Amino acid sequence: GAVVSQHPSRVICKSGTSVKIECRSLDFQATTMFWYRQFPKKSLMLMATSNEGSKATYEQGVEKDKFLINHASLTLSTLTVTSAHPEDSSFYICSAREAPSYTQYFGPGTRLTVL
Amino acid sequence: AQTVTQSQPEMSVQEAETVTLSCTYDTSESDYYLFWYKQPPSRQMILVIRQEAYKQQNATENRFSVNFQKAAKSFSLKISDSQLGDAAMYFCAYRAISSGSARQLTFGSGTQLTVLP
Repeated sequence: GAVVSQHPSRVICKSGTSVKIECRSLDFQATTMFWYRQFPKKSLMLMATSNEGSKATYEQGVEKDKFLINHASLTLSTLTVTSAHPEDSSFYICSAREAPSYTQYFGPGTRLTVL
Repeated sequence: AQTVTQSQPEMSVQEAETVTLSCTYDTSESDYYLFWYKQPPSRQMILVIRQEAYKQQNATENRFSVNFQKAAKSFSLKISDSQLGDAAMYFCAYRAISSGSARQLTFGSGTQLTVLP
């Protein structure tokens, strides 16, 4: 099946700093990518949908100025958590949709810890 | 709005036995996709099986099969000959197809499957 990579897998940062997470589709082109947040033993919560070459669409309640998303190419989307605070600590998962099957493939996730 | 319901937060099965995980959904769409994903302790989401709503035939992938009942809006997953590696959180997901609908995945709350040796 299609492969999606995500980097870094783990990151620890100090409060107030910014962190960038990369998501790449390795063997297919993805015009649409998704960013999720997952709390322990919970389902995935969609944060935003990014389309290549256009602005991301954020879900209600997600601060677009805090979670900056860039989808600059058909294989790369980035999520930047700006001015991170301890409450931003979570597991972040990206996903890329393969056309025309409409199937979403997921990255392995990034564990963010903000001290 | 579409909703996906998994009514079994936890299930367990003996190794080599068969287990069925339940999923129901609510939608006014006529054409859509349904998925089962598994999330093992590594937390990597893995696609298990996919079903197109317009297909009457139930999807099958090796030991995994679904029972898709469109009229009842039910989409259960059957795992045969359960293996220790099947232990994971299983998520049912729905996605509409029509351009006028939200096309992101809607997930259920998940079922934690334990496989007993």
